Amino acid sequence: SQTIHQWPATLVQPVGSPLSLECTVEGTSNPNLYWYRQAAGRGLQLLFYSVGIGQISSEVPQNLSASRPQDRQFILSSKKLLLSDSGFYLCAWGRQGTYEQYFGPGTRLTVT
Amino acid sequence: AQSVAQPEDQVNVAEGNPLTVKCTYSVSGNPYLFWYVQYPNRGLQFLLKYITGDNLVKGSYGFEAEFNKSQTSFHLKKPSALVSDSALYFCAVRDRVGTDKLIFGTGTRLQVFP
Repeated sequence: SQTIHQWPATLVQPVGSPLSLECTVEGTSNPNLYWYRQAAGRGLQLLFYSVGIGQISSEVPQNLSASRPQDRQFILSSKKLLLSDSGFYLCAWGRQGTYEQYFGPGTRLTVT
Repeated sequence: AQSVAQPEDQVNVAEGNPLTVKCTYSVSGNPYLFWYVQYPNRGLQFLLKYITGDNLVKGSYGFEAEFNKSQTSFHLKKPSALVSDSALYFCAVRDRVGTDKLIFGTGTRLQVFP
């Protein structure tokens, strides 16, 4: 069966510090990978989308970047965090050619 | 452009009563529709989907959804609500053909009272 991991679960970082959030998927190959941000416990905003290693689509202009160094690894980064980067970050995977997505447990980021 | 709307921010139901969480959609082409549930501080969990076929789709945890093409709706239903069903529910629709992306609604908080 497939599983998706995210870490850390929670993170408190000062403004201006760097960020690295990691997501890995097990039990499948060549998945689509997604990073979402959920603000104020409500709507989901798609940040990045990847269909393969090194292939990243940025959905909104922002302070963040994403990388996919391996088939089942997706990393969300920032060089300098802003207060507005606080939120709940969700990673998801899906099989190519389908539309269902399966979500990880999320990382709650607080920028102080 | 593809979109979904969840007109209710919150739905309150007494335990044992039937529940409905509403979703309407606007798409070009055939709609691919989904429901997800999110418990506090957790990721979203897939409940059910409509791609084609029967208009009544059955999913996890006793939930079902009715696809209504004439009303462009895909409402989530359950015959008898449980307190443990209290959570945030999201409707989603496939983005344009050729991309494996979903567009999510704003979510509806379901509160089931004992």
